[in-house]
Amino acid sequence: QLQLQESGPGLVKPSETLSLTCTVSGGSISSSSYYWGWIRQPPGKGLEWIGSIYYSGSTYYNPSLKSRVTISVDTSKNQFSLKLSSVTAADTAVYYCARQSPSVAGYYGMDVWGQGTTVTVSS
Amino acid sequence: DIQMTQSPSSLSASVGDRVTITCRASQSISSYLNWYQQKPGKAPKLLIYAASSLQSGVPSRFSGSGSGTDFTLTISSLQPEDFATYYCQQSYSTPKITFGQGTRLEIK
Repeated sequence: QLQLQESGPGLVKPSETLSLTCTVSGGSISSSSYYWGWIRQPPGKGLEWIGSIYYSGSTYYNPSLKSRVTISVDTSKNQFSLKLSSVTAADTAVYYCARQSPSVAGYYGMDVWGQGTTVTVSS
Repeated sequence: DIQMTQSPSSLSASVGDRVTITCRASQSISSYLNWYQQKPGKAPKLLIYAASSLQSGVPSRFSGSGSGTDFTLTISSLQPEDFATYYCQQSYSTPKITFGQGTRLEIK
């Protein structure tokens, strides 16, 4: 059974870089057709897609965050990572990693999620 | 970018009620529409994909319909465990996706 687990610091200072890793277990991150994504949820607010990566390394970012986001993949460790630079209090959120998976007919959905990790931006 | 708008933002209902939540896309997305359920402190759970296909393991009281720009999620008979927040999400531009703002379903 595929599982995703986020890890990283729970507290980041303003102007610094937030770094998180998602470890995939029970399956290979190199499986074709899947995208691996990051989504965040500020306290009391809705879901925001941050970006996604294909195992080959192709990346896709939310235009509103693109200048500050880098997503990378390490297939040897079965992990993918998020870096968000120049953080402010507005980046305080629960950060989730998830798999974007196609149905037989090619419709994608986020079918497996990590439990989420809370990141607070504060000095 | 494709914008997703849900209505209502919140909804009060009783166990056994039939409930409908709507989602509108800013442009036609065919049937590339997913619905998620999120309970407090938990990750979202995929309920419906391709507008009307039930994800494995999801109870049949959940159903989805629509195409183009207008979509609905219907719960035919609310159960206590259904009180949660529901999000629509377009997958038309996968992997670049957007979510609706959410609909909070509360107990009346």
